[in-house]
Amino acid sequence: QKEVEQDPGPLSVPEGAIVSLNCTYSNSAFQYFMWYRQYSRKGPELLMYTYSSGNKEDGRFTAQVDKSSKYISLFIRDSQPSDSATYLCAMTLSGGYNKLIFGAGTRLAVHP
Amino acid sequence: DAGVTQSPTHLIKTRGQQVTLRCSPKSGHDTVSWYQQALGQGPQFIFQYYEEEERQRGNFPDRFSGHQFPNYSSELNVNALLLGDSALYLCASSLVAGTGDTQYFGPGTRLTVL
Repeated sequence: QKEVEQDPGPLSVPEGAIVSLNCTYSNSAFQYFMWYRQYSRKGPELLMYTYSSGNKEDGRFTAQVDKSSKYISLFIRDSQPSDSATYLCAMTLSGGYNKLIFGAGTRLAVHP
Repeated sequence: DAGVTQSPTHLIKTRGQQVTLRCSPKSGHDTVSWYQQALGQGPQFIFQYYEEEERQRGNFPDRFSGHQFPNYSSELNVNALLLGDSALYLCASSLVAGTGDTQYFGPGTRLTVL
């Protein structure tokens, strides 16, 4: 069993839709949770960063962490064709320097 | 403010050869981590350097080695290349004493082993 599970998709939605992306994890010691966006053949770009449980909002993006269920989500409102990319969830233990554990990534396509 | 930079962008090697990839961290960052991303997969942690020492290592063989220089830049070396080493190699930088463990990634080096 992988430490972080993420549905690879692909997920196809019409422009303007609300997108929900999710990851589950098995290690209850994870404290920091991140979402990265990766365009084809590019490096991952940090989108959202959350410590412990709760919600965080940034423009059209909302990240949720439910540590009791070991479940994190990313919501994208008013999705745009430019949001078409692979979305990677990542998490790490608390501490000064720790490796990131990634999900496999979900491919999202937003069509006009 | 320059972000994380990596060189070269692309590289083609043959089996058995050796390769060196380079990374310059984001300005102000002191920690460099390397990841391997196979096609269709999430990045896998190779190792992390801080204060010119390897601090953590993932499940990769000794053919993978690295170095960090006094200016915090880093190199990843891979010896005796295998076909399975073909992947996107990502460098990420962070600040140990900073808030949390946010890592910022470079554009990657795409390695093809023939």
